Amino acid sequence: DAGVTQSPTHLIKTRGQHVTLRCSPISGHKSVSWYQQVLGQGPQFIFQYYEKEERGRGNFPDRFSARQFPNYSSELNVNALLLGDSALYLCASSPRGDSSRSGYGYTFGSGTRLTVV
Amino acid sequence: KNEVEQSPQNLTAQEGEFITINCSYSVGISALHWLQQHPGGGIVSLFMLSSGKKKHGRLIATINIQEKHSSLHITASHPRDSAVYICAVRSVRWGFGNVLHCGSGTQVIVLP
Repeated sequence: DAGVTQSPTHLIKTRGQHVTLRCSPISGHKSVSWYQQVLGQGPQFIFQYYEKEERGRGNFPDRFSARQFPNYSSELNVNALLLGDSALYLCASSPRGDSSRSGYGYTFGSGTRLTVV
Repeated sequence: KNEVEQSPQNLTAQEGEFITINCSYSVGISALHWLQQHPGGGIVSLFMLSSGKKKHGRLIATINIQEKHSSLHITASHPRDSAVYICAVRSVRWGFGNVLHCGSGTQVIVLP
């Protein structure tokens, strides 16, 4: 059974450009979350989607947007790229969107490394 | 102030040594995760805890809910344990569930 898959694995963009990152969750998982990890820091929460609806948003500017499709895959879009957007972008999937059952697992993809030049 | 604090930030050990990483948090939580991240970026969830202690091989994770503190122990450390270890918590404080709020990570290097 495939794990969480992210594409592309690496990407180089120029300041001001737009980027789309993609994530396919584990089969049967309905929740996808996106994280940004800059060098030397832990992952920072960007978005959570569950059943195709946004369920949470972290402290990121409106240049960041996301959506979830009927097959539960997800896209993260970043407009007007800045040098500071250079980071590893991680997607994580889980069966549900809430924490009402603390026994739920959480599976990360390998990430997309975005470099903005 | 970060709501999840880890210490130390960096740790170098000789093979076979006992390693402890500490995590303190300032909010009520529904669960705490210990994550392992190898060079290249992939993250693996080692443990998810809501109380007590869990053990998997040479790894032990403990949590004290009253003191808002957790520790990750690596017994008989090995060079393959070299990685970044991240403490992450889930809390309904942030208005929605199943989102991880992470510490800055502890870089562990185990020398042969």
